[in-house]
Amino acid sequence: DQQVKQNSPSLSVQEGRISILNCDYTNSMFDYFLWYKKYPAEGPTFLISISSIKDKNEDGRFTVFLNKSAKHLSLHIVPSQPGDSAVYFCAGDTGTASKLTFGTGTRLQVTL
Amino acid sequence: DVKVTQSSRYLVKRTGEKVFLECVQDMDHENMFWYRQDPGLGLRLIYFSYDVKMKEKGDIPEGYSVSREKKERFSLILESASTNQTSMYLCASSLWQGNSPLHFGNGTRLTVT
Repeated sequence: DQQVKQNSPSLSVQEGRISILNCDYTNSMFDYFLWYKKYPAEGPTFLISISSIKDKNEDGRFTVFLNKSAKHLSLHIVPSQPGDSAVYFCAGDTGTASKLTFGTGTRLQVTL
Repeated sequence: DVKVTQSSRYLVKRTGEKVFLECVQDMDHENMFWYRQDPGLGLRLIYFSYDVKMKEKGDIPEGYSVSREKKERFSLILESASTNQTSMYLCASSLWQGNSPLHFGNGTRLTVT
């Protein structure tokens, strides 16, 4: 049972344009959502998060949107840069000591 | 900055061997986790620990055990390695309170032949 789904395994975007990564979830107990970024041969690093009581959180070029009724969240990167090329994982948290449930990941390629 | 160190980047073991994966964190975090990452499956939680000597099963604990004798160290044990345990193993730590981001190590690529 995949509680967190990232239906796009890969995405290619031109430098300077917007990247939109999507994530759907089924577990209504998630009260917090996080995005992680992973480069090859490195562990994932925390990028941005959002509480379920909010519908938007912004940090520089990164914005996460949450639509609770649709059980959908998205990560927007504007403008996209070549250094953003990585695998992005979304994750849901029920608040139990950071026991996260991750999606399958989306590989973003930002081209010149 | 939090540092999570996994003792090996690459390991090659034979089927049936007992395998130890070691993880150490330096930020006095209460929580520690072991995940495995496989193509198309994302990160799946194997075991986690809230405190010394405490452990909880994650989503895929079969074939694994863990040990946490000291707060900073969390070991993953494959009692008898099998080829389907070939994977990237990622250790992580976090503060005790909920919604604290996980800090990951760089991973151990284990190949079981």
